[in-house]
Amino acid sequence: GEDVEQSLFLSVREGDSSVINCTYTDSSSTYLYWYKQEPGAGLQLLTYIFSNMDMKQDQRLTVLLNKKDKHLSLRIADTQTGDSAIYFCAERARGSARQLTFGSGTQLTVLP
Amino acid sequence: GAGVSQTPSNKVTEKGKYVELRCDPISGHTALYWYRQSLGQGPEFLIYFQGTGAADDSGLPNDRFFAVRPEGSVSTLKIQRTERGDSAVYLCASSSSAGDNEQFFGPGTRLTVL
Repeated sequence: GEDVEQSLFLSVREGDSSVINCTYTDSSSTYLYWYKQEPGAGLQLLTYIFSNMDMKQDQRLTVLLNKKDKHLSLRIADTQTGDSAIYFCAERARGSARQLTFGSGTQLTVLP
Repeated sequence: GAGVSQTPSNKVTEKGKYVELRCDPISGHTALYWYRQSLGQGPEFLIYFQGTGAADDSGLPNDRFFAVRPEGSVSTLKIQRTERGDSAVYLCASSSSAGDNEQFFGPGTRLTVL
């Protein structure tokens, strides 16, 4: 079955880089996503990567995908206090299924 | 432009009551999804609409849960005989036919069953 796992907590100093990691089990995943959720708010789509890519960069965000190890990471450069939030990794399976399967989220705390 | 909106933002009800949660997708988006997020967890899929029809309802936990989208736009999630375990944030998302790899989420409805 599908399973997406993330570490629960990460703390970094303002200005440092953050790296949030995710592992998934479904080898048929087509797209892998990173969403951000701030307290009391919905999910904000940050970025996503197609499964035939191994890297995608978007301003301060870099996504790395290792399909062999089924490992996805999100690197945030120059982390700011406004980046403090919960970050969710999600996968979408191949075929007609459109739903996303989410991890439990990583709480990122940015310390001044 | 306007994003996905959901009403109400909060709903408190008593065990055994019936509730309706509403979702207004982004204008023109043909696909609509409902997810449920329990405290400390990621969202879990409930049901997916393509147009007016439910293309996949495999995530609905039991027959107390039902959703409709009669005109292919607004959707209503209906929960009968609510139980305390139904307490969660119910999230709605939509995507366009052209960009169906991107799902955009609303702010959610926090349902509390007393």
